[in-house]
Amino acid sequence: DSGVTQTPKHLITATGQRVTLRCSPRSGDLSVYWYQQSLDQGLQFLIQYYNGEERAKGNILERFSAQQFPDLHSELNLSSLELGDSALYFCASSTLGLAGKETQYFGPGTRLLVL
Amino acid sequence: GDSVTQMEGPVTLSEEAFLTINCTYTATGYPSLFWYVQYPGEGLQLLLKATKADDKGSNKGFEATYRKETTSFHLEKGSVQVSDSAVYFCALWGNNRLAFGKGNQVVVIP
Repeated sequence: DSGVTQTPKHLITATGQRVTLRCSPRSGDLSVYWYQQSLDQGLQFLIQYYNGEERAKGNILERFSAQQFPDLHSELNLSSLELGDSALYFCASSTLGLAGKETQYFGPGTRLLVL
Repeated sequence: GDSVTQMEGPVTLSEEAFLTINCTYTATGYPSLFWYVQYPGEGLQLLLKATKADDKGSNKGFEATYRKETTSFHLEKGSVQVSDSAVYFCALWGNNRLAFGKGNQVVVIP
């Protein structure tokens, strides 16, 4: 158990809908990262937050947005969903947001299926 | 942009065999390099890392050496166990993002 929790575990929705994925980092970690894992794209970094502020941006679509709240939990919002958004979404956390030096601890993921 | 290339295809081998998974990278600057492992139904776990050239990362019998001259970070283990069956991802952190390879499924047969 990494200490990172994600809810829900599974999500099934329809095209055009909007969903919110939630992540709680390990106790004491200030930084949260979001990743998407799909069969065709592999593992892709989406976005990083540190202490409530966006720190780095990866291949995140404009239809997707994220935020980190004062209690340090984070939410990833996916809107106007398409079939191709079906994937496993991982959240990870680290203490200081120094991703090049620190270990990132991954949650179990949220599996999203868009029908 | 920065990228990581892993050898194609799954790897199937017998227990106690020697494992090598190749990883090469393209990056500007001096990235940090990682190997992550994903066991069935679980999230990723950091297996080992190296933050500068010639560093050797090691954990659970796995090793990888950061070779700047060949831009490689190959993963090796001398004697695999059935419990090592998993998907292994090579990754680099550079330009403020973590870039992953496609991953290699490793299946260890008793």
